[in-house]
Amino acid sequence: GQNIDQPTEMTATEGAIVQINCTYQTSGFNGLFWYQQHAGEAPTFLSYNVLDGLEEKGRFSSFLSRSKGYSYLLLKELQMKDSASYLCAVRGGDYKLSFGAGTTVTVRA
Amino acid sequence: SAVISQKPSRDICQRGTSLTIQCQVDSQVTMMFWYRQQPGQSLTLIATANQGSEATYESGFVIDKFPISRPNLTFSTLTVSNMSPEDSSIYLCSVRNRRGRGEKLFFGSGTQLSVL
Repeated sequence: GQNIDQPTEMTATEGAIVQINCTYQTSGFNGLFWYQQHAGEAPTFLSYNVLDGLEEKGRFSSFLSRSKGYSYLLLKELQMKDSASYLCAVRGGDYKLSFGAGTTVTVRA
Repeated sequence: SAVISQKPSRDICQRGTSLTIQCQVDSQVTMMFWYRQQPGQSLTLIATANQGSEATYESGFVIDKFPISRPNLTFSTLTVSNMSPEDSSIYLCSVRNRRGRGEKLFFGSGTQLSVL
């Protein structure tokens, strides 16, 4: 089975940086995804990592260490609209996606 | 990216009844997926809807409870049968985009189901 852990909640101030950690234990590994989900809306794709290292995309960056079963999503220059749930998802050896429970980020003025 | 229309967006149902959720995609896709997202929990894959064959169900989900239709490459339905309050959840359909890196998933807007 798959086991994906991420913090339940995080709070940060507008303009600040927040790092959301995700650890996983899966049967096989074929990539790690981060999705953003605003309340009442569908998840939307943010990033994808399959090799170790940092992937940067504007204010968002995602890091992966396969040997440690660890990823983080880094949100820089936080804006109020970044308040959302962030889902870590791992594609296992069977190529199916397993999702973490999500981290609710609240950005305060 | 794929545009996915899902309906109804929300419904309140009585125990013992059934609800059919529809998912329409603006392009032909090989596989469509149905997920459930219970309050405060992760997305859980219910089944993969295959065109021209029976859906493939994940552990813990059965066809009698969640029958799925996939009549063509752009449309699928999920029925939640004989509902109980435990079925109250958000149900999401999704498709996989093979272009670019990562074969990312695109999701419909979801159906918020409340069972009384």
